[in-house]
Amino acid sequence: DGGITQSPKYLFRKEGQNVTLSCEQNLNHDAMYWYRQDPGQGLRLIYYSQIVNDFQKGDIAEGYSVSREKKESFPLTVTSAQKNPTAFYLCASTKGLVPYNEQFFGPGTRLTVL
Amino acid sequence: AQTVTQSQPEMSVQEAETVTLSCTYDTSESDYYLFWYKQPPSRQMILVIRQEAYKQQNATENRFSVNFQKAAKSFSLKISDSQLGDAAMYFCAYSQRRGNTPLVFGKGTRLSVIA
Repeated sequence: DGGITQSPKYLFRKEGQNVTLSCEQNLNHDAMYWYRQDPGQGLRLIYYSQIVNDFQKGDIAEGYSVSREKKESFPLTVTSAQKNPTAFYLCASTKGLVPYNEQFFGPGTRLTVL
Repeated sequence: AQTVTQSQPEMSVQEAETVTLSCTYDTSESDYYLFWYKQPPSRQMILVIRQEAYKQQNATENRFSVNFQKAAKSFSLKISDSQLGDAAMYFCAYSQRRGNTPLVFGKGTRLSVIA
């Protein structure tokens, strides 16, 4: 079955440590996105990538980094520079380069920084 | 910058009844798309319905329909014959056609369905 996988589902890290969240899709989608979800805040865009080896900052990119070395993979690193990293993180993808196509979402990763 | 506003943080509806969730948006574009996404307790986001701004006819998907008022920049979601499985967070989203600009999401409305 085609879809988006995110791992792990729950992640715990100590303050000051970098952590990488995995996002893989087998939908052959071109564009991939990372969102952060906090209670009462909706979805806020962190980074997005429309082609391999290229990505753009979203609204809240500070303290995060990404890479897009393969079409199917778009990992997100939460660095120690992110002031409040505890949140729910969602990865999404769309067919083609246009964002108004349907976005398909992964199941999310809940990151807790202790 | 485009903004999407959902003025109802929480709503509730009796099973089998109809409920309408509100969404307004701000844009200077004339060609754009609007979406409603559903996030159930499992937190798996799925697309409910999509509306293209140049289409005057309101989109419909089974029990879900929209009331798109372009001049008023309003995009409400109507859920008919509400079911327990409709309980979820609902997010309104906007995407302009020009420039490959990513989706802009509202803050969401939490819908409870009462048996």
